[in-house]
Amino acid sequence: GAVVSQHPSRVICKSGTSVKIECRSLDFQATTMFWYRQFPKQSLMLMATSNEGSKATYEQGVEKDKFLINHASLTLSTLTVTSAHPEDSSFYICSTPRGDTEAFFGQGTRLTVV
Amino acid sequence: AQSVSQHNHHVILSEAASLELGCNYSYGGTVNLFWYVQYPGQHLQLLLKYFSGDPLVKGIKGFEAEFIKSKFSFNLRKPSVQWSDTAEYFCAVNRGGGADGLTFGKGTHLIIQP
Repeated sequence: GAVVSQHPSRVICKSGTSVKIECRSLDFQATTMFWYRQFPKQSLMLMATSNEGSKATYEQGVEKDKFLINHASLTLSTLTVTSAHPEDSSFYICSTPRGDTEAFFGQGTRLTVV
Repeated sequence: AQSVSQHNHHVILSEAASLELGCNYSYGGTVNLFWYVQYPGQHLQLLLKYFSGDPLVKGIKGFEAEFIKSKFSFNLRKPSVQWSDTAEYFCAVNRGGGADGLTFGKGTHLIIQP
């Protein structure tokens, strides 16, 4: 069964609005959550790493004020896309490591900004 | 920073054909290597991984991969594919020794024709 639950799976929003994406770990405590973005026909690109109770670490070129990450508990991490633009339309996926050798992925969120 | 290159973006094979998907990475240090599969509408799933030891790694569903350090390669193979292997395949790498986020290749869309 799913280890990481990501919601929503699809969302359409208007330009200028904000969208929140949630990832929950279902049967274990996720101290770390990775957030990825995938544009059509491109790789999954790591956007940021969140650790429970501390500020997220963003990859180069990712605007931290636009992509707000909150990891306030050991079972929930959220990504909020603020003031969304059409170019933010993408597939967003969360992932959490488990031990040293495994990573579990959410099912992804298809964001379309119109 | 590391990067991953997957040579084949689209592959079409007939059932029972042999499969080899190429993956090369660039990083000078110790790496962990992964192959993930994403079936339509489903989560990313781990096929196999290499951390250390035997460079020939066997995974689920009859897949295997060989780490060739001198070539910076980690090609995925399966001797006889099935229609159910139709999916997107991603090669990924992270730095050895830690639970870092993954760097992914662009993916290979594999279609198996019955």
